[in-house]
Amino acid sequence: DAGITQSPRHKVTETGTPVTLRCHQTENHRYMYWYRQDPGHGLRLIHYSYGVKDTDKGEVSDGYSVSRSKTEDFLLTLESATSSQTSVYFCAISRGLAGVETQYFGPGTRLLVL
Amino acid sequence: QQQVKQSPQSLIVQKGGISIINCAYENTAFDYFPWYQQFPGKGPALLIAIRPDVSEKKEGRFTISFNKSAKQFSLHIMDSQPGDSATYFCAARGGGDMRFGAGTRLTVKP
Repeated sequence: DAGITQSPRHKVTETGTPVTLRCHQTENHRYMYWYRQDPGHGLRLIHYSYGVKDTDKGEVSDGYSVSRSKTEDFLLTLESATSSQTSVYFCAISRGLAGVETQYFGPGTRLLVL
Repeated sequence: QQQVKQSPQSLIVQKGGISIINCAYENTAFDYFPWYQQFPGKGPALLIAIRPDVSEKKEGRFTISFNKSAKQFSLHIMDSQPGDSATYFCAARGGGDMRFGAGTRLTVKP
């Protein structure tokens, strides 16, 4: 348990509506990540952050934006949700283990876009 | 283009048997290879990891075998138990970028 919580845990929304998912960490880690998980694709990186107000794009960033106004919170926004964004979204932090930075995941948010 | 290819997609093993999951990667810049275990409704959890300067790492019943020249690595679960039934993901990290395999759903039958 890396002290990561995600909210909401489940959400149903309609196509075209904005959606914001929140990731909250309690251990002051610098790096935070948003992934989506889909059958047959494993986990794919959407965006990541390496500090307050410092973010960068990942492998599948189209249609998503992020913000990090304080260390503990990393927000993922779908400006206008589409059915292709139905997925399970995981937040992760990076933490050193035996001198190696590795990633630890939150419990996930299941999003259904109708 | 998937940079980490994982097989098989699903695996059924009898209790007490050996489960083997294979991964292959393309990018020689990858320098860290973790395996994650995920139970339904939960986030992936780090299981075991290896760096390319060693060929094998063992932690309890779980072993990673690493073949740098072939760009392949595998997870062996010895004495598989029903509680090991989960989805397993291999991953490879290069710089700040972590790439994941598509996952293997393991079922261990009692």
